[in-house]
Formats: sequence, C-alpha cells, structure tokens
Amino acid sequence: NAGVTQTPKFQVLKTGQSMTLQCAQDMNHEYMSWYRQDPGMGLRLIHYSVGAGITDQGEVPNGYNVSRSTTEDFPLRLLSAAPSQTSVYFCASRLGQTNTGELFFGEGSRLTVL
Amino acid sequence: GDSVTQMEGPVTLSEEAFLTINCTYTATGYPSLFWYVQYPGEGLQLLLKATKADDKGSNKGFEATYRKETTSFHLEKGSVQVSDSAVYFCALSALQTGANNLFFGTGTRLTVIP
Repeated sequence: NAGVTQTPKFQVLKTGQSMTLQCAQDMNHEYMSWYRQDPGMGLRLIHYSVGAGITDQGEVPNGYNVSRSTTEDFPLRLLSAAPSQTSVYFCASRLGQTNTGELFFGEGSRLTVL
Repeated sequence: GDSVTQMEGPVTLSEEAFLTINCTYTATGYPSLFWYVQYPGEGLQLLLKATKADDKGSNKGFEATYRKETTSFHLEKGSVQVSDSAVYFCALSALQTGANNLFFGTGTRLTVIP
C-alpha cells in the first residue's frame, strides 16, 4: 500500500505566486487533514475534511483553501503565497470519526516562499 | 481550548539511559492521548496511545500512562538506543465542531549518543 502520498516534496515560490500541494490516500479513509510544522510550534491544523464534499477550518486556515471532491484526494491551495507560509506541510488521514483512531501521515512537503 | 504542553528539548542521553519526556494536557471532555515519533526526513508515525484514564500505552519499550488526576501522559523508556533518536510529539484528540481533530505539542528532540 502507498498510504498517504504528498507531492511535491520540495517547492520554492515567490511572494504572490499560487500553488497546490497534492495529497492522496489509498486506504479509503474518511478523515483527511493538513498540518503545517514550524520550529518551536509543533504541528498546527490548517484544514480538515470528514468526507467527500465536506471541509472545515482548523487552527490556522488563513491563506489556504481546500476541497474534497473524492475520498482519495485532498489538495491544499495557496492562492497568494507569503513568506509566513514557509513551512513543512503534512497531510494525514484516518479511518472513521472516533477520537481513538491512528492518524497516518505523508512524508511532508517543504515549501519556501521568497 | 484543548491543548498539550510538552517538555522543551532538546534532550541528549547516552545509550541505555532512562528517558522521560513530560506531557500535560488541558481538555474539557474525554480526549484520547497519543505519542507520535518523527524520524529524520519522515512524516510522523504513531508510537503509542491511551484512550481512557489509567490506560497504559506501550510499544517498542516505550510506555505512557493516562493520568486524569494530574492531566499527564509522560513518555518513558528504560533503556534508550541510538535508533531512538527522533522528535517525539505528544497529542490529544478532541471533538471540535463535529470532528475529532488531533492537537500536538511542540515536540521534543531526542538525541542518543553511543
């Protein structure tokens, strides 16, 4: 099984450019989420989805959009990149809605905004 | 709101030393508690979990007990190895606007030297 696959692994953008981070999972997981990881701040939740067609905001949603048209895919869009969005981004998925389930993570996407 | 406070790092230990990484939490409901580990260049993976008070999670020689009276979930290992060098994250799963989302501490970097 591939698990959770993120692309690209590395990206450099200029301020104001847009891009999409792709995330796909092949485990038929209902729940998917995006986190950003910054030094000294741990992981912070950006957006999440509990199923196809349903998305909601996490702790730090500003500057990011998401959609969930299929169970498998959960892309994260940066409409106008800012240096403050320089970070490592992780996509994660989980089967079901309980609070006991394991979250499976992708390998991360390192984004630098100049 | 729900949150996790984790021991600041970094922590450097000699091989076979005893490890404790402290974690305390604040939650209004009945969260599940987790420890995740991140090896260099990889995404996070579940190390252990506990879903109710007095539960003990264990895996790969690591243990943590869910203590409601002290709101703590400290990670311990009796004898660390060089291969345990990684960043460790304490996390809690809490219901937020209809979904159980995972909230992470800031992470503790452990380095084990031979």
